[in-house]
Order: sequence, then C-alpha cells, then structure tokens
Amino acid sequence: KNEVEQSPQNLTAQEGEFITINCSYSVGISALHWLQQHPGGGIVSLFMLSSGKKKHGRLIATINIQEKHSSLHITASHPRDSAVYICAACNGGATNKLIFGTGTLLAVQP
Amino acid sequence: NAGVTQTPKFQVLKTGQSMTLQCAQDMNHNSMYWYRQDPGMGLRLIYYSASEGTTDKGEVPNGYNVSRLNKREFSLRLESAAPSQTSVYFCASSPEGGFNQPQHFGDGTRLSIL
Repeated sequence: KNEVEQSPQNLTAQEGEFITINCSYSVGISALHWLQQHPGGGIVSLFMLSSGKKKHGRLIATINIQEKHSSLHITASHPRDSAVYICAACNGGATNKLIFGTGTLLAVQP
Repeated sequence: NAGVTQTPKFQVLKTGQSMTLQCAQDMNHNSMYWYRQDPGMGLRLIYYSASEGTTDKGEVPNGYNVSRLNKREFSLRLESAAPSQTSVYFCASSPEGGFNQPQHFGDGTRLSIL
C-alpha cells in the first residue's frame, strides 16, 4: 500500500460540474501539497496546507489531520482545468521528505 | 518571469553516454531539487540542495551526480546513461530547505536512453 493514495485515478466531468479529488495518506505529516500538471508537463504548486481549508479562485483544498485525508475541490469546472492533480505529503521530522501520489487525471468536457 | 528554467527540454542518448541536465532559478531561492517522474509512479526525489554549497541524496540517487554551481544553478549529471534512466526530469526550487514549503517547478526534461 502506497503511503499517499489518490482517488479517483481518472475523472471525466462536464463543464460546470463540481469536482472532488481525494488524497489519503498513512504517515504523519507537517504539510500537504496539491500540484497541477498540465498536458505538456509543467507542474504548478496550487496549495500547501497543514490544517483547515484554503481557497484560491474556484479551487478549494481541505485537510482533516485526524482522518489523514485531504480533498481538492473545483467549482464550476472548465475545460482549462483539465490536467493531472497530484497530492504530496511532507512527513516532517528527521526524514523530512515529500511523498507523492500518482496523480488524478481530470478531463473536463465542454 | 522565468522562474525555474531547465535545459534541454528533450534529449535522446545511447546507453553509456553521459550528459548534464541544467537548471537555473531567478527567484533567489536557497533550496533546489531534482525529481524524476515515471509512468504510474509519483515523483521521486533524486538529489536536493538545501543551500548553496550543500547537496544530499534523495530517494533514488544511484547513477546520478549533482553540482550546486552557485545559488542560481543546480545541475544533474548522468555519467553512464542506462535505459532505466529514461524518464521525465524536473528541477524545483523553494525559498528555504524543508519540504513544508511550496516548490516551484521547471517545465521538465524528457530524456530517452536507447
């Protein structure tokens, strides 16, 4: 079992739909990252959070430390949101490192 | 705003050849990282440099060497390329060391080893 797991692996949505991508982790963390990777490969950092919720435009990230679970929500989805969304857990401590999920491929159809 | 610049974007090598992947950032960041991305797997850290003059091994360092040339530049060298090193390589930087900071990524280098 991977230390960071995302679901679903693939997601197809219609434009305008509300989208949720989930990330579960099995390690203690100091922070959790959400990244976006567009076709063509570039990676952009969307959020880093250690508690609660963060919002940027139509994107919302939440984290529940007790349940070791984070979600990325996209409201009013648009075809330009089509990308791979990656979560990564920072495990802090002496072996401070990022553990990446394998990503969720999102396709938003017009 | 250049951010993190990687060169080259694409490269094809023959087994046994050597090459250096270049990375430069213009954000005055202290820390820089090299990752590889393979199908079906998450990004994996090869090496990182918490600050100028220091480098440390990551999760998959075998077959690679790095040089933190100055604060801006962090290069990754394959001394004798192997097909298993076919991958997409990403360089990233962050203001300070530690992985609880947002990282800024380059556009990647697609490397094929024949």
